Amino acid sequence: QKEVEQNSGPLSVPEGAIASLNCTYSDRVSQSFFWYRQYSGKSPELIMSIYSNGDKEDGRFTAQLNKASQYVSLLIRDSQPSDSATYLCAVNMIRGSTLGRLYFGRGTQLTVWP
Amino acid sequence: GAGVSQSPSNKVTEKGKDVELRCDPISGHTALYWYRQSLGQGLEFLIYFQGNSAPDKSGLPSDRFSAERTGGSVSTLTIQRTQQEDSAVYLCASSRIQGSNQPQHFGDGTRLSIL
Repeated sequence: QKEVEQNSGPLSVPEGAIASLNCTYSDRVSQSFFWYRQYSGKSPELIMSIYSNGDKEDGRFTAQLNKASQYVSLLIRDSQPSDSATYLCAVNMIRGSTLGRLYFGRGTQLTVWP
Repeated sequence: GAGVSQSPSNKVTEKGKDVELRCDPISGHTALYWYRQSLGQGLEFLIYFQGNSAPDKSGLPSDRFSAERTGGSVSTLTIQRTQQEDSAVYLCASSRIQGSNQPQHFGDGTRLSIL
């Protein structure tokens, strides 16, 4: 089992819809979770972080965390064509002495069509 | 500078040559990471530095790859005797301190092409 798994997509939604991106992780004691956005040909950009169970909202973005289910998601409300990108889920895991390393999923490609 | 700085932005070299890639982290960030990303693929972890601790080299794909970090700041990733499969974008990231709640911030990457 991969440490961090995401639906590979691609995910396609119409403008104005809610885009839902999902991520599961293998390490039950993980404490920190991040979502990055990566436009084609660009480097990943941090858009959300979440550390405790529940929802965290920032503008049109909502991150949801359920540690019992080892599941984290990102909702994008009122999706815009400019949201079209690959979204990477990252989870902090402890592996032996490797404290603080982030493990990334392979990313979900989102397309928002006008 | 304000962000993670990487150089060169692009590098084209012949198979068998050595290359050096440079990363200058955000000022005050003590943790530094190298990743590579092949076309259409996810991020592949290479190596991780934290302060003066021994680096986590578990992701280096072969002994042709090495990295160092001098003075706890600038890092250089060296690839010896390059192969065509080394072609990728090499990304550097830094974070404030080692810790579970510290996000990583990425540089713009070096696009490496091996002819």
